[in-house]
Amino acid sequence: SQTIHQWPATLVQPVGSPLSLECTVEGTSNPNLYWYRQAAGRGLQLLFYSVGIGQISSEVPQNLSASRPQDRQFILSSKKLLLSDSGFYLCAWSPGVGNEKLFFGSGTQLSVL
Amino acid sequence: TQLLEQSPQFLSIQEGENLTVYCNSSSVFSSLQWYRQEPGEGPVLLVTVVTGGEVKKLKRLTFQFGDARKDSSLHITAAQPGDTGLYLCAGAQGSNYKLTFGKGTLLTVNP
Repeated sequence: SQTIHQWPATLVQPVGSPLSLECTVEGTSNPNLYWYRQAAGRGLQLLFYSVGIGQISSEVPQNLSASRPQDRQFILSSKKLLLSDSGFYLCAWSPGVGNEKLFFGSGTQLSVL
Repeated sequence: TQLLEQSPQFLSIQEGENLTVYCNSSSVFSSLQWYRQEPGEGPVLLVTVVTGGEVKKLKRLTFQFGDARKDSSLHITAAQPGDTGLYLCAGAQGSNYKLTFGKGTLLTVNP
């Protein structure tokens, strides 16, 4: 069966510090991978998605970047965090083009102080 | 502009009551999904509806996709405290593998 791992679960970082959130998927190959941000426990905003190694599409211009160094690894980064980067970050995978069902990780609660 | 509007935003009911939440749009979707999310966790897929007019049942939950594939509803019969959570609808358009999410309905079922 497929599983998705996301860490850390919670993170408190000072303004201006770097960020690295990691997500890995097991039990499948060539998944589509996604990073979402959720503010105040409500709707999800798509930040980045990837259909293959090294292929990253950005949805919202901002202080963040994403990378996919391996087929089942997706990393969200920032060089300098802003207060507005606080939120609940969710990684997700889907089986591939034409099958849009999303399977989410357990999320990272990021607080930038 | 929010592509998918969910209503109500908040709903607090007593155990045993029935409820319906809605997901509406002016756009046509090739499929629509419902997720439930508990605090501090990622959303979990409940159902996918694909055909206009389609009705799917999952125990006490009934999902319907509108005939024009622009809206959907979720009906819960005899709600239980375990149904508490944030219910999100998400739509897909064509071969686009990016889902558009609504802002969700936060349901609280009181014992």
